[in-house]
Amino acid sequence: QITLKESGPTLVKPTQTLTLTCTFSKFSLSTSGVGVGWIRQPPGKALEWLALIYWDDDQRYSPSLKSRLTITKDTSKNQVVLRMTNMNPVDTATYFCAHRIPYNDAFDVWGQGIMVTVSS
Amino acid sequence: QSVLTQPPSASGTPGQRVTISCSGSRANIGSNSVYWYQQLPGTAPKLLIYADDQRPSGVPDRFSASKSGTSASLAISGLRSEDEADYYCAAWDDGLTASYVFGSGTKVTVL
Repeated sequence: QITLKESGPTLVKPTQTLTLTCTFSKFSLSTSGVGVGWIRQPPGKALEWLALIYWDDDQRYSPSLKSRLTITKDTSKNQVVLRMTNMNPVDTATYFCAHRIPYNDAFDVWGQGIMVTVSS
Repeated sequence: QSVLTQPPSASGTPGQRVTISCSGSRANIGSNSVYWYQQLPGTAPKLLIYADDQRPSGVPDRFSASKSGTSASLAISGLRSEDEADYYCAAWDDGLTASYVFGSGTKVTVL
C-alpha cells in the first residue's frame, strides 16, 4: 500500500529556512496524473494547504505563502522536498505530505505528520 | 479566515444523524469538486468523500455527501462513538491564483 513519511527538523529558529522531505513508496511521481501535496496544521487549528507538485513538475502554491515556498521532486529517490524561508513562530505546526489521486484532487493517503516548532 | 465556512461544532447521540455544512462561492464549490476529510484526535486526516459524493473503498456508507450551488454537506447516519472527530471540507478555488482550500473544520461530538 502507498505510504508517505515526513522528515526534517522539529525545531527551527525564527528567520531560518525549513526544509522538509517527504519520502514515499508504492507509487511513482513519474506516473501521469500523480501528485504530492503539503498541508500544515497549527496546534488546535484548521488544515492549511501549502503546495502541490505534479508528475510533470507543475507546481502550485498557496497564494499567501508563495513567496516563501519551494516544492521540488526527486523521482529517482521517491522524495518531495518543501522549503519554507523566513520561518516565524506562527509557522509552528504539524506538516503533512499527502498523495494526490491521479487526475483527482483528493489526497487519499497522508503521512503521519511532523511537528515543527519555531522558537529562538 | 477560511474560504470555506463550516460550523465549529455539531453533536448527536449514538444512532442519530448529523449533518455538517460547508459554504463557499462560485470560485470554489460552485465550480469544482468537494472533498471531505475526517481527522481523529492526534492522527492524520483521512479522505472520506471525493468528487462531491463518492466514497473511497473502506469508508462506511453511513457517510454521505451532497452539493448544491455553492454549498456542500456531509451527513453521518447511525452516529457511532468512533465518529467523534474533526471534519473538513475542501475544494480548489479558482481565484486570481488557483489554490486548494480547506474549510474551517467542524468538531463532531457523540453525546
